[in-house]
Amino acid sequence: EVQLVQSGAEVKKPGESLKISCMCSGYTFTSYWIGWVRQMPGKGLEWMGIIYPGDYDTKYSPSFQGQVTISVDKSISIAFLQWSSLKASDTAMYYCARGGQRLTSMHDYWGQGTLVTVSS
Amino acid sequence: QSVLTQPPSASGTPGQRVTISCSGSSSNIGSNVVNWYQQLPGTAPKLLIYSNNQRPSGVPDRFSGSKSGTSASLAISGLQSEDEADYYCAAWDDSLNGVFGGGTKLTVL
Repeated sequence: EVQLVQSGAEVKKPGESLKISCMCSGYTFTSYWIGWVRQMPGKGLEWMGIIYPGDYDTKYSPSFQGQVTISVDKSISIAFLQWSSLKASDTAMYYCARGGQRLTSMHDYWGQGTLVTVSS
Repeated sequence: QSVLTQPPSASGTPGQRVTISCSGSSSNIGSNVVNWYQQLPGTAPKLLIYSNNQRPSGVPDRFSGSKSGTSASLAISGLQSEDEADYYCAAWDDSLNGVFGGGTKLTVL
């Protein structure tokens, strides 16, 4: 059974750094793309970026390029999303979502979400 | 402003058939497959339709998808109260990023 289990909710101050995780199981981690999706309070889904664990090839949405870093640890089948300096506008729910074996397939399985709150 | 355009709301009565549209361009829907997701209140999105018109195991056949040119549609027949949710279309864009529609809130009257 494919499962994506995300790390718990975070409360941070502006300017702090953060790395959230997505533990993947039930499939060959290195054979599928895995991405991140933002949902701000009361708003729709925004595609942030995606990474192929097999060769670390990474694509970012222009809206998020330079704002976040997507990475993986192949040895433990975990994907990460990190910020070096959080802003209040980063307050949102963040979902990891498995992509296909092809980049253009978009997402099938989703994590439960990690709520990030940034407030002074 | 989302790259894929969906109506913000839709509604129907139990038993009715409802359709939700998703309009894009030649660089996304026109050249790549479309997925549809259902998001129930307070939960993560769930894949409803993939590759334009395929249903994952466990999704009732009341849900169907279609694509023509640069537009796609999700149809829900035999509407039920538990179908009340937000629905999103998504596709890959050839500018090398994924794109979602703005979402459609479905109300069952």
